Amino acid sequence: ILNVEQSPQSLHVQEGDSTNFTCSFPSSNFYALHWYRWETAKSPEALFVMTLNGDEKKKGRISATLNTKEGYSYLYIKGSQPEDSATYLCAFSYNTGNQFYFGTGTSLTVIP
Amino acid sequence: DAGVIQSPRHEVTEMGQEVTLRCKPISGHDYLFWYRQTMMRGLELLIYFNNNVPIDDSGMPEDRFSAKMPNASFSTLKIQPSEPRDSAVYFCASSLWRRGQPQHFGDGTRLSIL
Repeated sequence: ILNVEQSPQSLHVQEGDSTNFTCSFPSSNFYALHWYRWETAKSPEALFVMTLNGDEKKKGRISATLNTKEGYSYLYIKGSQPEDSATYLCAFSYNTGNQFYFGTGTSLTVIP
Repeated sequence: DAGVIQSPRHEVTEMGQEVTLRCKPISGHDYLFWYRQTMMRGLELLIYFNNNVPIDDSGMPEDRFSAKMPNASFSTLKIQPSEPRDSAVYFCASSLWRRGQPQHFGDGTRLSIL
């Protein structure tokens, strides 16, 4: 069983605070790392896909970095807003197949 | 383009009944995945198909679960007989096998077995 770990498991922040979470994955045979945003009662929505060591992606106030040599990715949210409240999932894939290995997610609650 | 379409959105049935969940992937996608979301285990992969052929069904919990993909635009996940512990949200996702392509998820089927 492949281990994709996310931390922290849950996070409560005040509106306006910046925050970040971590996704750890195996550093060998890396193919791609995906970040998803999953709101309650909805389906996971793709945020970023990163394939190269050192990749940085940004969408509005949300950005992500990738370190494939040490096997981690960070997701940053600048100036959190209540609408950012969701579970953020990362998913890892090997270069030998199209199966995604999902972490258990970080649940973010932004308090107005 | 329409996204991944799942039906029904909600299903409530009694223990022992057969349950069939349906999925229409995004047109042109060559991979289809069935996931189950539970509080205990998060999002777990049940089975996935490539070009309508099952590739890995090691996540299917028991023989009571079966999945088919008779053509590129339709897949079913069947539970027979259903049990209360099968209650969960079941997601279908599809993707293209190109590096960097995400999986696109349907809205899920919320299944309750009484």
